[in-house]
Amino acid sequence: DAGVIQSPRHEVTEMGQEVTLRCKPISGHNSLFWYRQTMMRGLELLIYFNNNVPIDDSGMPEDRFSAKMPNASFSTLKIQPSEPRDSAVYFCASSLSRGQSPNQPQHFGDGTRLSIL
Amino acid sequence: RKEVEQDPGPFNVPEGATVAFNCTYSNSASQSFFWYRQDCRKEPKLLMSVYSSGNEDGRFTAQLNRASQYISLLIRDSKLSDSATYLCVVNMARVGGKLIFGQGTELSVKP
Repeated sequence: DAGVIQSPRHEVTEMGQEVTLRCKPISGHNSLFWYRQTMMRGLELLIYFNNNVPIDDSGMPEDRFSAKMPNASFSTLKIQPSEPRDSAVYFCASSLSRGQSPNQPQHFGDGTRLSIL
Repeated sequence: RKEVEQDPGPFNVPEGATVAFNCTYSNSASQSFFWYRQDCRKEPKLLMSVYSSGNEDGRFTAQLNRASQYISLLIRDSKLSDSATYLCVVNMARVGGKLIFGQGTELSVKP
């Protein structure tokens, strides 16, 4: 079975450029999560969607970050303009939330390693 | 205070050793608990959920103490392949909600 698919795997760009990260969740999963991981701050949740609707975006650093989920099989995380401090590994994860069933585990993609010069 | 705190590590142990990781969480309303494993430059992967009664999966045993807001992971007969970072994870919701990750504890198992 295909897991969570992220693209690109690596991105190196100059500061000020727009960066778009893409994610395809596992088919049938209805929750999608975007995380950022750095050595200093560990793994931080940026935003998550349930049934394509943003539920909690309190982790989004600032207005330069935006995320969309136009349909159940695709999401984007955009940074515009990018800055060197945005350099990190960005993970997308998905899970299945079913009614009142306990939380199901999240499955992570391979991540996008982003370097802003 | 961080929402989820773990032993700083790194833990360097010989093969065959038993190693224990501890984790505390600050929000008493937390509902779901997990241990994830992350290999170097890889994505986090679920190792095991943690249930109130404690649970075991092969060489791995997880315990939860709600009164003390404490979670533990015990690895018996450690293998070289156990070398990784172990992340303590908490969710305040029983359904939906978001995961809060600890900083992780690095384990290195030596021959």
